Amino acid sequence: NAGVTQTPKFRVLKTGQSMTLLCAQDMNHEYMYWYRQDPGMGLRLIHYSVGEGTTAKGEVPDGYNVSRLKKQNFLLGLESAAPSQTSVYFCASSYGDSNEQFFGPGTRLTVL
Amino acid sequence: QQQVKQSPQSLIVQKGGISIINCAYENTAFDYFPWYQQFPGKGPALLIAIRPDVSEKKEGRFTISFNKSAKQFSLHIMDSQPGDSATYFCAASSVETSGSRLTFGEGTQLTVNP
Repeated sequence: NAGVTQTPKFRVLKTGQSMTLLCAQDMNHEYMYWYRQDPGMGLRLIHYSVGEGTTAKGEVPDGYNVSRLKKQNFLLGLESAAPSQTSVYFCASSYGDSNEQFFGPGTRLTVL
Repeated sequence: QQQVKQSPQSLIVQKGGISIINCAYENTAFDYFPWYQQFPGKGPALLIAIRPDVSEKKEGRFTISFNKSAKQFSLHIMDSQPGDSATYFCAASSVETSGSRLTFGEGTQLTVNP
């Protein structure tokens, strides 16, 4: 099992550009999450999904969109990147009735 | 609004010493309190977790102490080793919260000197 994988690992964008981060999990988990990690602020939830075809806003959703067309994939989109979105992005997944979340290796995004 | 406050921000301990990281929460509906460990360049991984029906949980050198009345919980690492050097996050969630969402503390960077 690969667990939770994220693509790409690194990316540099210019202000106003768009991009999509891909998260995939092979554990048949119902729930999936996108977090951003910034120094001194821990992990903050951007969006999450409790099943295929469903999405919901987390703590810091502005400027991001998500889609969960397939159970194993959760996509995070930035339509018009801003320097404030420079961060490390983590995807996670969990079973529906379990609190343990399994994290991917992260994507380091820099917006110039 | 930070619902889970973590301290200290950084901690330096000598090999063999005890590392203690503290967290305080505000939401009394929280009923699951995990600690995650993160090594540089990696994603966080679950280390140990506790529910409020017990005051302490021990797994090897790692112990969670939980004080429901004070709304505080802490991680104790006994006989700290250089391999324990990592960033530690406390978190909390509620069974009432859709999607088992976790609220994380700010993180503590632990360095264990040899």
